[in-house]
Amino acid sequence: NAGVTQTPKFRVLKTGQSMTLLCAQDMNHEYMYWYRQDPGMGLRLIHYSVGEGTTAKGEVPDGYNVSRLKKQNFLLGLESAAPSQTSVYFCASSPRAARGYEQYFGPGTRLTVT
Amino acid sequence: GEDVEQSLFLSVREGDSSVINCTYTDSSSTYLYWYKQEPGAGLQLLTYIFSNMDMKQDQRLTVLLNKKDKHLSLRIADTQTGDSAIYFCAESRTYKYIFGTGTRLKVLA
Repeated sequence: NAGVTQTPKFRVLKTGQSMTLLCAQDMNHEYMYWYRQDPGMGLRLIHYSVGEGTTAKGEVPDGYNVSRLKKQNFLLGLESAAPSQTSVYFCASSPRAARGYEQYFGPGTRLTVT
Repeated sequence: GEDVEQSLFLSVREGDSSVINCTYTDSSSTYLYWYKQEPGAGLQLLTYIFSNMDMKQDQRLTVLLNKKDKHLSLRIADTQTGDSAIYFCAESRTYKYIFGTGTRLKVLA
């Protein structure tokens, strides 16, 4: 099993450009999450999904969109990148609801917006 | 608010014990977690504790939970240089997890 994979690993964007980050998991997990990690701020939840075809807003959703068309994939889109979106982005998945279940994390995508 | 708080840095000498502290906000949280993040990697679950427990031990790791004060701690016995990492506590809500700011542990040889 590959677990949770993320592509790309690194990306540099200019302000105003768009991009999509792909997260894939092969563990048949229902729940998937997108976080951003910034120094001194820990992990902040951007969006999450509790099943195929569903998405919900997290703590910091502005400027991002997501889609979960297939159970194994969770896409994070930036329509018009801003320097404030420079961050490390992590995807995670878990089998069921948060309580008592481990989240499995991908290796992260380091995004720089100039 | 939803803040889960941790101190940002901790430095210990190899062989000493490390204690990483966390305060959380939701008294109804039933599970609390400790994750470890090594440089350039994602987070990995270290251990978790159910809220009806006061303590959980797993080899070199001891988790203490004070539910009244909403305080969680992780003790690492005989700390090694390989324990150098960022440690996150997290509490679970219905569909999501709330993570702390992370504590960067530096182990001095």
